[in-house]
This record gives sequence, structure tokens and C-alpha cells, in this order.
Amino acid sequence: DQQVKQNSPSLSVQEGRISILNCDYTNSMFDYFLWYKKYPAEGPTFLISISSIKDKNEDGRFTVFLNKSAKHLSLHIVPSQPGDSAVYFCAASDENTSGTYKYIFGTGTRLKVLA
Amino acid sequence: DAGITQSPRYKITETGRQVTLMCHQTWSHSYMFWYRQDLGHGLRLIYYSAAADITDKGEVPDGYVVSRSKTENFPLTLESATRSQTSVYFCASSDVVGELFFGEGSRLTVL
Repeated sequence: DQQVKQNSPSLSVQEGRISILNCDYTNSMFDYFLWYKKYPAEGPTFLISISSIKDKNEDGRFTVFLNKSAKHLSLHIVPSQPGDSAVYFCAASDENTSGTYKYIFGTGTRLKVLA
Repeated sequence: DAGITQSPRYKITETGRQVTLMCHQTWSHSYMFWYRQDLGHGLRLIYYSAAADITDKGEVPDGYVVSRSKTENFPLTLESATRSQTSVYFCASSDVVGELFFGEGSRLTVL
């Protein structure tokens, strides 16, 4: 049962336009969310994160929005560049009863930015 | 060099063989994780460790064994490899709740 879902496997966007990647989760106890970018044959690299006490976090061209009531977060990339073409994963932090944390990832969305 | 390294980067083995994937980090991060990446499934958590000698199951732990006797190492063992374990395996580390740092991955093929 997938706790973190990215329902769009792929997305194509023109260079200079906005890219919006979506992520839904089912566990209301998730309290920290991250976005990662992955190029082929490389490990995922961190992009941006957001705590559940916030609804927005911005870092340059990247903004993450969190809607806790809808259990939904989105990553906005403005303006999109060809170098942004990659697979994007959202992840959520889950605290166990023992007080340890683990990170659950979504299935990923492949973004293609067209020049 | 500082960072997180995985070995081997590529491995081909046969069904039933034992395989160990190594992971080493130099940051002294308390947390370490093993994920597998498969088409259509994204990154799925296999096992994780909050500290030396503390390990816990993730989403898909069956067929895998881990140990963490030292903070910097977190090996993943497939005791009897199956074709369904053909995948790309990623190790990651973090310092409590925060950014996860990933290795470059180990591509395993089980024939």
C-alpha cells in the first residue's frame, strides 16, 4: 500500500514555463517532506524540504507547497530549464513508536523540459 | 574523500548465491538506509538503522539482512538471491531528521 503517491509518471514542459509536480500522501502523521532529483546512473540529490508547520518553502527557482488538510504537496519550478529534466521523487518522514525516523518515497515523476 | 560510497557499483550473480552490498559514510551520520529502485515502484525502503546496533525493517525487507556494528558501515546482504531482487540499490545517510545523502547506487543483476 503506497503511502506516498506521485500519480503522474511523466510531465513535459516548455523551457521557461512553470513545471508543477504533485505528490499525495495518506499518513497524517508525516511531519517532514522532501523533494529529490535523480539523473540516470546517479544517486538522488536533495532539492528542497518543508516542515509540516509551514505551507510554503522557497529556494531560488524551486518552491514547495504543502496542503496538510488535503495531504498534498507540490513542487513548482519556475522558470523550467532543460537541465531540470530528470526524475523527481517526493518523500515523507515517518516517526516510529520507538522514536526513530524513516523516509518513505513516492514512485517518481519524469520531467522533460523541452528547449 | 568525505561522503557516502557504495560497492560494488555493478554486480552480476546467479540465483541462490549470497551477495553483500557495502555502504560506507564518512560523516558519522546516525541514520543509514537501504532503498531499491524499480520501474513503476520508485524508491522503496528495505532496511534502515538509527544508530550502530539498531536496525529496523522498511517496506520490502524480505530476503535481505543488514547489520550495523560500526556507525560508518551498513552492509546489505541477500542471503539467497532471486531474480526479483534484480534492481538498483541505493544507500543513504542522514543526521536525525533532515536531508538524506545518497550514494551512487549498486546495480545488481540476478540471473
